[in-house]
Amino acid sequence: DAMVIQNPRYQVTQFGKPVTLSCSQTLNHNVMYWYQQKSSQAPKLLFHYYDKDFNNEADTPDNFQSRRPNTSFCFLDIRSPGLGDAAMYLCATSRGGVRGNQPQHFGDGTRLSIL
Amino acid sequence: GENVEQHPSTLSVQEGDSAVIKCTYSDSASNYFPWYKQELGKRPQLIIDIRSNVGEKKDQRIAVTLNKTAKHFSLHITETQPEDSAVYFCAARSTKEYGNKLVFGAGTILRVKS
Repeated sequence: DAMVIQNPRYQVTQFGKPVTLSCSQTLNHNVMYWYQQKSSQAPKLLFHYYDKDFNNEADTPDNFQSRRPNTSFCFLDIRSPGLGDAAMYLCATSRGGVRGNQPQHFGDGTRLSIL
Repeated sequence: GENVEQHPSTLSVQEGDSAVIKCTYSDSASNYFPWYKQELGKRPQLIIDIRSNVGEKKDQRIAVTLNKTAKHFSLHITETQPEDSAVYFCAARSTKEYGNKLVFGAGTILRVKS
């Protein structure tokens, strides 16, 4: 059974038209992450939530925002998508903790195309 | 911050041979090192991980070794099979970062030829 669920699997949007990607989890993990992955590259962390605390990466464009209304759900909002934002967007979850050495579990991703 | 280098970028082996992928990291305080396998169009899947208090871990045909002094860790796959063909990413948990942030290597494309 899928434990980190991303919807939709494929999303097509127009240049400049806002789009929202969603992620839900059944693992009850307190940390949720959003990654951007382009072809043949490693996943690039955009931001993560540790419980309700939002942590933005320094190089994440302002065009990307996130919401976490509760433990189970997290959303990625792209306010004005550009052609360079076409990518696979991966959601991941993990347990938190002082040592931070817990595995991250990824969803199947949403492939975003920009027309 | 943490920096992870991964080698080789591509690796071709004959079915049944072993494959070894190596990663080095820069933060001597890093304490967690997972390996992910990603097939084309699919999610990264955790295949094995090791924590800094352990030098080696094995799971069937997969093993990971960690050398904290040299700051490198390696993935070993024995008796490779065509279904092992994928991109493999190493990662290290940076203790300088809040929470459980992972820094990924650039990935290794493994091709197993039958």
